[in-house]
Amino acid sequence: EVQVVESGGGLVQPGTSLIISCHASGFIFGDYGVHWVRQLPGKGLEWVAGVIWRSGHTGYADSVKGRFVVSRDFARSALYLQMENLKIEDTALYYCTYDSQPGGAEVWGQGTSVTVSS
Amino acid sequence: DVLMTQSPLSLPVSLGQPASISCSSSQSLVYRDGNTYLSWFHQRPGQSPRRLIYKVFDRDSGVPDRISGGVSGTDFTLKISRVEAEDVGIYYCMQGTHWPYTFGQGTKLEIK
Repeated sequence: EVQVVESGGGLVQPGTSLIISCHASGFIFGDYGVHWVRQLPGKGLEWVAGVIWRSGHTGYADSVKGRFVVSRDFARSALYLQMENLKIEDTALYYCTYDSQPGGAEVWGQGTSVTVSS
Repeated sequence: DVLMTQSPLSLPVSLGQPASISCSSSQSLVYRDGNTYLSWFHQRPGQSPRRLIYKVFDRDSGVPDRISGGVSGTDFTLKISRVEAEDVGIYYCMQGTHWPYTFGQGTKLEIK
């Protein structure tokens, strides 16, 4: 079965760091892109960051630029999101999603929850 | 960033009746390859979003043909010809032509 699996979420204090991971299962990343999309409690969907797998081109939402960094591991078919200087407003369920073509987002994980609170 | 504006935000519909959701983009979504990367997603409570429609018209595997996508210029539409109980939830449009990808605000469909 083709799926992506997120991990690494948790409860952290404001100003601290956290790395969350996304692994492909049943396939390997490569056709187009892999992205992080978050959903704040009771709210809609917000694209956070993404990478075009083969080229390594990355993009970030303005709300996280300078604080979040995506990186990829070809051998493990894994995507990471390193989150620095976390803010209370970063509290959300973080989904990993995979494109086989631009704007595809056809595969979604179950999400990993990040809570930023003192 | 491309602004995606959905309407209505709340959609009460009786079983067996049609439903329509609109999504307007602030700029053209035609990519350099000629395709238009506009997708529709359905999210049930407590579940991850599931893609229903991609490239405006194409249905994902397992999506019933009573669900369809359309477009007129930069105005996109998701139509459900006959609403069933399983259709409740929130529907989002998303453009993937321009980075950052952007989503509409979501439309909550409920049974009247």
